[in-house]
Amino acid sequence: KAGVTQTPRYLIKTRGQQVTLSCSPISGHRSVSWYQQTPGQGLQFLFEYFSETQRNKGNFPGRFSGRQFSNSRSEMNVSTLELGDSALYLCASSPGAPLGQYFGPGTRLLVL
Amino acid sequence: AQTVTQSQPEMSVQEAETVTLSCTYDTSESDYYLFWYKQPPSRQMILVIRQEAYKQQNATENRFSVNFQKAAKSFSLKISDSQLGDAAMYFCAYVSGAGSYQLTFGKGTKLSVIP
Repeated sequence: KAGVTQTPRYLIKTRGQQVTLSCSPISGHRSVSWYQQTPGQGLQFLFEYFSETQRNKGNFPGRFSGRQFSNSRSEMNVSTLELGDSALYLCASSPGAPLGQYFGPGTRLLVL
Repeated sequence: AQTVTQSQPEMSVQEAETVTLSCTYDTSESDYYLFWYKQPPSRQMILVIRQEAYKQQNATENRFSVNFQKAAKSFSLKISDSQLGDAAMYFCAYVSGAGSYQLTFGKGTKLSVIP
């Protein structure tokens, strides 16, 4: 099976802009989660979608949003970008809690 | 809320030697799963090993094994016969057995392998 894919891999934006990141999960995985990774804060959970429904959300401002489509593909959107949003954004899909999550390569976002 | 603590920000090991990475967690749940993930420099996060909380037997995957002490809420990773390719950030992670598949991660341990 193909792994989790994320597009784009790299992105440079300026403050105030918005950005949309895309994630395609492993075939058959209905759960997609997003994480933000920074050197200072480590890996922080953004949100999880399961069968098009947001099942859980981390402690991030409302500028961060996401959605999942009927084919399980997911997008996350960050509006009004701030310098502190510069990070590696990781998407992961899962077939079930006991089996863990499988990560994509990430999208590296730089906000100038 | 669950927390995961990795108390060793950095560790090093000689090639072919054995190293143990520490992880402790805090939870009030009885149904949960624990994982170790490996993130090589500028590369993808990889699942190394998983452990079910209800199983007393420690998980093993080739050169990787865990020491799961449920009462102490400890979950350490042992890497035997260390190889240069083992150099990476290692993250300990927790997931509840109920509801969301959200992972709670520790801060990570950077492992260096000395040739």
